Amino acid sequence: SQQGEEDPQALSIQEGENATMNCSYKTSINNLQWYRQNSGRGLVHLILIRSNEREKHSGRLRVTLDTSKKSSSLLITASRAADTASYFCATYNTDKLIFGTGTRLQVFP
Amino acid sequence: DTGVSQDPRHKITKRGQNVTFRCDPISEHNRLYWYRQTLGQGPEFLTYFQNEAQLEKSRLLSDRFSAERPKGSFSTLEIQRTEQGDSAMYLCASSLTQGAEGYTFGSGTRLTVV
Repeated sequence: SQQGEEDPQALSIQEGENATMNCSYKTSINNLQWYRQNSGRGLVHLILIRSNEREKHSGRLRVTLDTSKKSSSLLITASRAADTASYFCATYNTDKLIFGTGTRLQVFP
Repeated sequence: DTGVSQDPRHKITKRGQNVTFRCDPISEHNRLYWYRQTLGQGPEFLTYFQNEAQLEKSRLLSDRFSAERPKGSFSTLEIQRTEQGDSAMYLCASSLTQGAEGYTFGSGTRLTVV
């Protein structure tokens, strides 16, 4: 089963633009994590935000969390062609990660 | 230790055959997870192990699927009597303790049932 939806399903932008992806989830959480997946490969952990945090930064990544709305967003600033990948949010409650449906990001040079 | 290893990377099998996949986690990680991912979807949880104990199985894991982690190190996932609907990417991940800080994933095994 999957936790929730990500929006948009697909996003195409030019290099240098910002990319914003949204994630909604259904249950209470301990933390929410974002992962990246290059085509046909495994997932790579990007950033984690705890349920008592509202915003977190890591390099060009900015994550927000609104537990009252059960939603999160991932912002990638100054995108690069190498950022082309699928991005997934995943919620952690007590014992395992449950993933969303993902956003496919394409960054054109 | 170079991360989580999965073998094979690709497997093509005929419907009705049995297949087995292997996952070698990061050596100090005591939790190991299996997920299945179909095209355009997010990973779906199948099962996980704490050392050699299988602690949870998803209802997606029908009786044709079995997973083991006999010595608390590597794990195998076997699918018996494969069906075309089993075609997917099978992902393995491992974590320290309960995995709250994140998982390390392998590159996956892509199964095609023809």
